[in-house]
Amino acid sequence: QVQLQESGPGLVKPSETLSLTCTVSGGSVSSGSYYWSWVRQPPGKGLEWIGYIYDSGSTNYNPSLMSRVTISVDTSKNQFSLKLSSVTAADTAVYYCVVLVRGSPWFDPWGQGTLVTVSS
Amino acid sequence: EIVMTQSPATLYVSPGERATLSCRASQSVSSNLAWYQQKPGQAPRLLIYGASTRATGIPGRFGGSGSGTEFTLTISSLQSEDFAVYYCQQYNNWPLTFGGGTKVEIK
Repeated sequence: QVQLQESGPGLVKPSETLSLTCTVSGGSVSSGSYYWSWVRQPPGKGLEWIGYIYDSGSTNYNPSLMSRVTISVDTSKNQFSLKLSSVTAADTAVYYCVVLVRGSPWFDPWGQGTLVTVSS
Repeated sequence: EIVMTQSPATLYVSPGERATLSCRASQSVSSNLAWYQQKPGQAPRLLIYGASTRATGIPGRFGGSGSGTEFTLTISSLQSEDFAVYYCQQYNNWPLTFGGGTKVEIK
């Protein structure tokens, strides 16, 4: 069973770049069977899919964030990462790394999530 | 983008009673719909996919139905651990989108 763990700074300044990493265990980020994904949830609000990476380099992003998002993979560390540039307070959220099985694009399993606050 | 609308926003139910949650899509998503449960401070958990197939380990009191634009999640007899927020998610079209959630509270 794949397990995921997010890590990264909990506080980012406005206009800077948010960077998070997801460490994968029980599976390989090189596997073509999975889409390695990010989902976020502002405090007290709903869920928003950010994007995914697969086959160690192909990506698909939510158009609402596409201009600011980069998802990448580090196969040597079995990790994938999220970068979100030019952040504002509206980007304050719990960020989850999640697995999408290729051909079965529902989200399972999820990491525990990490809160990122954008504030000066 | 497909907009998912859930109703009601909050549902008050007594333990042991039946809960019926609705999810509507702005256009047909066929049966490409999933349901999730989220408890405070926890990540969402997959309950249902394919509109009606329970995920591994999900109790039989959770049932999903519907296709096209109208979907229902039914919890046949609410247990204390079922009081939570429930989200639907369509995976028929990109971008993947979620409903705004229904909070199930104790009556």
